[in-house]
Amino acid sequence: QVKLQQSGAELVKPGASVKLSCKTSGYTFSTSYMSWFKQIPGQSIEWIGMIYAGDGGTGYNQKFKGKATLTVDTSSSTAYMDLSSLTTEDSAVYFCADYPGRYWGQGVMVTVSS
Amino acid sequence: DIVMTQAPLSVSVTPGESASISCRSSKSLLHSNGITYVYWYLQKPGKSPQLLIYRMSNLASGVPDRFSGSGSETDFTLKISRVEAEDVGIYYCGQLLENPFTFGSGTKLEIK
Repeated sequence: QVKLQQSGAELVKPGASVKLSCKTSGYTFSTSYMSWFKQIPGQSIEWIGMIYAGDGGTGYNQKFKGKATLTVDTSSSTAYMDLSSLTTEDSAVYFCADYPGRYWGQGVMVTVSS
Repeated sequence: DIVMTQAPLSVSVTPGESASISCRSSKSLLHSNGITYVYWYLQKPGKSPQLLIYRMSNLASGVPDRFSGSGSETDFTLKISRVEAEDVGIYYCGQLLENPFTFGSGTKLEIK
């Protein structure tokens, strides 16, 4: 069956960066799109951006340009999201999901705190 | 950005009765290809969102046919017939027509 397995919870200091992973199985990753989302607990969902695994082409929400960088490794069917210059406002749960959201990762909590 | 406005904020339903959730977009979600790019998701407590309806009225795989989606270019409705206890959670509408994809603020469904 299809599975999107995200990396574990992160506790990072302000100003640092973090790289989140989303390892997929059960479907053809290399010709698929992967989106990333941010959700602050108790709030709605924000779309960060999307990457096409076939050629690495990306589309970002303007709000997250410079904050998030999406990449893929087709050899391991894994998608990555780098978050840089973290502040407390980046503390949230981050999800990966295929387009249009048939399959979702379990989410990963990122906490930015000194 | 396209704004998605949901109503009500919360709904309390007796098991076996129906519930409807509305969603309005600030711009037409009808593409020139004839597809309306509105989607409905359910996020159960402590879980990831799950897709219920895609392209306004298509039932996602594995979703009970108690769920249905309808609408026009800017006004959309999710209907849940014969509500069950397992339907509790927060329902979100979202538009995947243009960047950035945006979502409503959510409607919380509770069981009476």
